[in-house]
Amino acid sequence: QSVLTQPPSVSAAPGQKVTISCSGSSSNIGNNYVSWYQQLPGTAPKLLIYENNKRPSGIPDRFSASKSGTSATLGITGLQTGDEADYYCGTWDDSPSAHWVFGGGTKLTVL
Amino acid sequence: QVQLQQWGAGLLKPSETLSLTCAVSGGSLSGYHWSWIRQPPGKGLEWIGEINHSGSTNNNPSLKSRVTISLDTSKNHFSLKLSSVTAADTAVYYCARGLAIENYWGQGTLVTVSS
Repeated sequence: QSVLTQPPSVSAAPGQKVTISCSGSSSNIGNNYVSWYQQLPGTAPKLLIYENNKRPSGIPDRFSASKSGTSATLGITGLQTGDEADYYCGTWDDSPSAHWVFGGGTKLTVL
Repeated sequence: QVQLQQWGAGLLKPSETLSLTCAVSGGSLSGYHWSWIRQPPGKGLEWIGEINHSGSTNNNPSLKSRVTISLDTSKNHFSLKLSSVTAADTAVYYCARGLAIENYWGQGTLVTVSS
């Protein structure tokens, strides 16, 4: 069981918008920055979002994210078939000692 | 362009020690945290631990006693050792620079534990 809870799967049609939630607690999301990663089949994860809502260079603005309290949300607009992937949230957890935790991952299907 | 190239034994027997190395090119080890992450087949990501440029480590409490992460600044690489492996340690292991800004990942190494 992951410390951070994500829906196992989401789906939407090309061109539509989808959101992926990530729920945690005060010891992790509530007190730390959240990152989001995209993992295409057979490849290493790729950073999409860091510090809750910042995009690294090269990440299109179709990808956005927010955090509120102990939850975070990733949004993807203008869905493309190439967005089909697994998406993970991640953050530090302060209890019992500082360690990084990932969500269980969400499989995005673009119908 | 920063690149992480990792290598290590891909097949181990139960009770053996997993050993992986990650070489960094295009940048220095200084100023960053260097992590190991693993992913069992068909499952999600699990953080193993990290080391910073001065050699301080921080590990996943669930693996702490079996994990050793070290740094070799002269060779610009860092390494992972995981002792007493079992079938549950079968996974793709990734090395990575940081987990937020300026994040880079290695290509991944499949490690299978089987008798």
